[in-house]
Amino acid sequence: ELKVEQNPLFLSMQEGKNYTIYCNYSTTSDRLYWYRQDPGKSLESLFVLLSNGAVKQEGRLMASLDTKARLSTLHITAAVHDLSATYFCAVDMWQNTGNQFYFGTGTSLTVIP
Amino acid sequence: DSGVTQTPKHLITATGQRVTLRCSPRSGDLSVYWYQQSLDQGLQFLIQYYNGEERAKGNILERFSAQQFPDLHSELNLSSLELGDSALYFCASSAINTGARDTEAFFGQGTRLTVV
Repeated sequence: ELKVEQNPLFLSMQEGKNYTIYCNYSTTSDRLYWYRQDPGKSLESLFVLLSNGAVKQEGRLMASLDTKARLSTLHITAAVHDLSATYFCAVDMWQNTGNQFYFGTGTSLTVIP
Repeated sequence: DSGVTQTPKHLITATGQRVTLRCSPRSGDLSVYWYQQSLDQGLQFLIQYYNGEERAKGNILERFSAQQFPDLHSELNLSSLELGDSALYFCASSAINTGARDTEAFFGQGTRLTVV
């Protein structure tokens, strides 16, 4: 079974600082997704990475994918309080006739003023 | 707003009971996924339907079942409920089909189930 691991699980950072969240997965896949979830809310799609070397940026967040290393990173630049949320990576894996998205454990980010 | 609608938003029921959760996918999406999110288990994939057919199965208990109707809405049925079934249940939809590349899943707001 595909395993998706994120680290760190919890991250507390000061406003204005930079940090990176890591997502490792155990089986070859060239499709990786990042989601954001606020407490008690739904999952919001942030990035879709569909090939090796893919890099996408939106505001203070930048995601990249290295399929050879089976690693994706979510880099946070100059964090602000509004970025406080839980971030999930997910890998899409086909099995016979269907597919499922395997989610990481999530990284709970708290940005401190 | 993702375009995926789930009802009800909250549900409180007693152990041993049966409930039905409903999901309407985004317009045009043929795939529906059900996930369970609990504090100790994270996001667990339950089942996927594509255009009315079951396509992938995850850690779904025998007490749980799902179906997708011709109008593409889906229902998740949970029976003989136990305290441990209390969780957030998410439905997601995607436009995935064989060969499609842009296959992100869009999530509904979830149904919070509390079993007492």
